[in-house]
Amino acid sequence: EPEVTQTPSHQVTQMGQEVILRCVPISNHLYFYWYRQILGQKVEFLVSFYNNEISEKSEIFDDQFSVERPDGSNFTLKIRSTKLEDSAMYFCASSGGTSGGLGDTQYFGPGTRLTVL
Amino acid sequence: GQNIDQPTEMTATEGAIVQINCTYQTSGFNGLFWYQQHAGEAPTFLSYNVLDGLEEKGRFSSFLSRSKGYSYLLLKELQMKDSASYLCAVRKNTDKLIFGTGTRLQVFP
Repeated sequence: EPEVTQTPSHQVTQMGQEVILRCVPISNHLYFYWYRQILGQKVEFLVSFYNNEISEKSEIFDDQFSVERPDGSNFTLKIRSTKLEDSAMYFCASSGGTSGGLGDTQYFGPGTRLTVL
Repeated sequence: GQNIDQPTEMTATEGAIVQINCTYQTSGFNGLFWYQQHAGEAPTFLSYNVLDGLEEKGRFSSFLSRSKGYSYLLLKELQMKDSASYLCAVRKNTDKLIFGTGTRLQVFP
């Protein structure tokens, strides 16, 4: 069964450093998302991406964050100048299937646990 | 604004039936999802309702009433492996998901 994959599973970084979290969405999906979950809290929407551009972003997704689809398979989240409060689990999700429309289920990857020291 | 409420914790016995409720207030509603999440893992899709009524999928069923802003997830024949958090999520018409805080279910033998 196709699945979303993410690397690395765990990333430890120093405050102020840049990190890139990588995702490979399900191959025929067209809509991509990043969510985060701070330990013990709810899953929060960060950004959605379609047709090589951001569809929507939350107020969390400020200038510190950026997303990119550098090739036909990867979808990345870059966090510049990380802060302590960026420590969280970051989930990538994809949807869209072959129909490509809104209304499809979002399937989540296993997540990257980011720890900022 | 938007608000999604679900109980924080529930307990049940193996083999029993449990109902997890979710109420929501939001604009731009475009469907309601239930996900299961084991500790430290990703949310896993369970069910989806966009129209009023009951959707059944094996041991899991989900119900939606849009006029009441209410949904529930029904788990039958509970197994120990069903111990997890159950996340209610509203999909907005922009396609993003807004999650509730989740209900932690503990199943006891």
